[in-house]
Amino acid sequence: QKEVEQDPGPLSVPEGAIVSLNCTYSNSAFQYFMWYRQYSRKGPELLMYTYSSGNKEDGRFTAQVDKSSKYISLFIRDSQPSDSATYLCAMNLGGSNYKLTFGKGTLLTVNP
Amino acid sequence: GAVVSQHPSRVICKSGTSVKIECRSLDFQATTMFWYRQFPKKSLMLMATSNEGSKATYEQGVEKDKFLINHASLTLSTLTVTSAHPEDSSFYICSAPETGNQPQHFGDGTRLSIL
Repeated sequence: QKEVEQDPGPLSVPEGAIVSLNCTYSNSAFQYFMWYRQYSRKGPELLMYTYSSGNKEDGRFTAQVDKSSKYISLFIRDSQPSDSATYLCAMNLGGSNYKLTFGKGTLLTVNP
Repeated sequence: GAVVSQHPSRVICKSGTSVKIECRSLDFQATTMFWYRQFPKKSLMLMATSNEGSKATYEQGVEKDKFLINHASLTLSTLTVTSAHPEDSSFYICSAPETGNQPQHFGDGTRLSIL
């Protein structure tokens, strides 16, 4: 079983749709959870960052972490064509251990 | 917000050439930086952890003599691909954690093509 599982998609939605992206993980020691957006031929851009369980909202984006289920989600409201990208979940143990463990990434296309 | 700058963005060179890639944290100090390699349509693969003032820590299977890492200051780490060959062609990305060590920010990557 991989440490972090993420459905690679591809996922195609119409403009304005609500998008739900998810990752599951096996290591209960993970403390920090991140979502990155990566456009083609660019480095990953940090979207959301959460410590432990809970919800965090930033504009059209909401990140949820459920540590009891080892499940994290990213919701995108009112999706736009500019949201078309690969979305990577990542997590680490925190403390002095900074190494990130990534999901495989989900390719999202938002159609105008 | 925290910014990581990576240079150059694109390199095309002949087989046997050594190529140096720079990674700079622009508005914060980074005692630790990370170097990744990414193949098309794949996730990031960690190559090594760069530590300011000490030796880098390499992941299993990564050749230390092939991928030389130097972290000479709190804002700069360099990756040198020595005697590069076509199989070294890839997208190389660096990252650095913010003050307090969370979260990591990534550079825009370097696309290396060896002919």
